[in-house]
Order: sequence, then C-alpha cells, then structure tokens
Amino acid sequence: DQQVKQNSPSLSVQEGRISILNCDYTNSMFDYFLWYKKYPAEGPTFLISISSIKDKNEDGRFTVFLNKSAKHLSLHIVPSQPGDSAVYFCAGLGSGGGADGLTFGKGTHLIIQP
Amino acid sequence: DTAVSQTPKYLVTQMGNDKSIKCEQNLGHDTMYWYKQDSKKFLKIMFSYNNKELIINETVPNRFSPKSPDKAHLNLHINSLELGDSAVYFCASSQRTGYEKLFFGSGTQLSVL
Repeated sequence: DQQVKQNSPSLSVQEGRISILNCDYTNSMFDYFLWYKKYPAEGPTFLISISSIKDKNEDGRFTVFLNKSAKHLSLHIVPSQPGDSAVYFCAGLGSGGGADGLTFGKGTHLIIQP
Repeated sequence: DTAVSQTPKYLVTQMGNDKSIKCEQNLGHDTMYWYKQDSKKFLKIMFSYNNKELIINETVPNRFSPKSPDKAHLNLHINSLELGDSAVYFCASSQRTGYEKLFFGSGTQLSVL
C-alpha cells in the first residue's frame, strides 16, 4: 500500500531551468511533508518541509507547494544546478508529530544536464 | 565530524550467519532509528528507540533486534540471515520535540549470499 507515490523514477532537466518533482499521497492523516535529497553512497539529507496548514514554503532556490484537495505536493528547484543531481524522496508524517510515522516515496532521480 | 556514522559500509555474508551493524550519533539526539531500503527503493522504518521506548514496525522479523548501550548508539543485530535481508540499512536520529527532520547515516549495503 503506497501511501506516498512518486510516479517519475527519473527526471532530466537542463542546467539553469526549473526542476519540478511531484509527489502524491493517499493518507488523509498526513499533516506534514518533508523532502529529502540523497547522493549515491550517502544517507538522505533533509531539504525542505511544509505543514498542511500552508500551501507554499520557500527556502532559497527550493519551493514546495502543497495542494491538499488534490493530495499532491511538488518541489520546485530554480535555477537547477549540477549539484542538484540526486535522488529526491518525498515523505509524509501523520498527526502527532515525531519521525516514527515518516512514510517515504520511492524517490525521483533528478539529473541536471550541463 | 560525521553526525551519524554507521559501520560497516559494506557487509557480505552467507545465509544463516549472524551479523551486526553499528550506529553512533554525536548530535545529542534522544531518538534513533533503523530504516531499510529494499530492492524496490522504498525506505521503510524498522525500529525507533529512545531511552524509554522501543517501537517496532510489525513487519520486521524477530531475527532483527536493536540494541542500545547508551543514548548515542543503536546497533542492529540480525540472526540467521536470509537472502531477502539483502538491502541497504540506514541508521538515523532525531530530537523528539515535534516535526523533526531525520539525520541519516550513510548506509550499510548488506548482501546475503
């Protein structure tokens, strides 16, 4: 039962353009969402998060948008840089907080082309 | 100075063996976790542990057991290894005050032959 779905296994974007990574979820109890970034042979690192009471959160080149009615969120990276090439995981968290309930998607491999 | 470190990075072993993976965090966090990334690339929680409570994902076989000598360490012991245990295992930690982000180790690639 995939509660968090990242339907694009990979995405290729030219350097300088916008990268848009999508994530859908089915669990209505999720009220917090996080994006993690993972380089090969390393563990995932936290990138950005959003609470369900917001529809947008921005941090530098990274913006996450949340559409609760559609149960959809997206991560925008602009402009894309070569160092952004990595696997990006979307994760949802149920009410009550705490990282025990983090449910991850399968990840999207972002490739930034020079 | 690595925040969450786990050893070994690679572990190749025969079916039926018992093995351990060690994890240490120097962040002062009070909760540690083990996650498994299987061949389908899903990251799934196996255990979460603080000095008061062990929470076990019900899908984890009892051949897997976490052991915490102190707040900064959470080791993973696996008995009677099976082929299906081959995966990447990640240790992580967080400070349990709410919607914390996890800090992950770099993973242990376990291959059971």
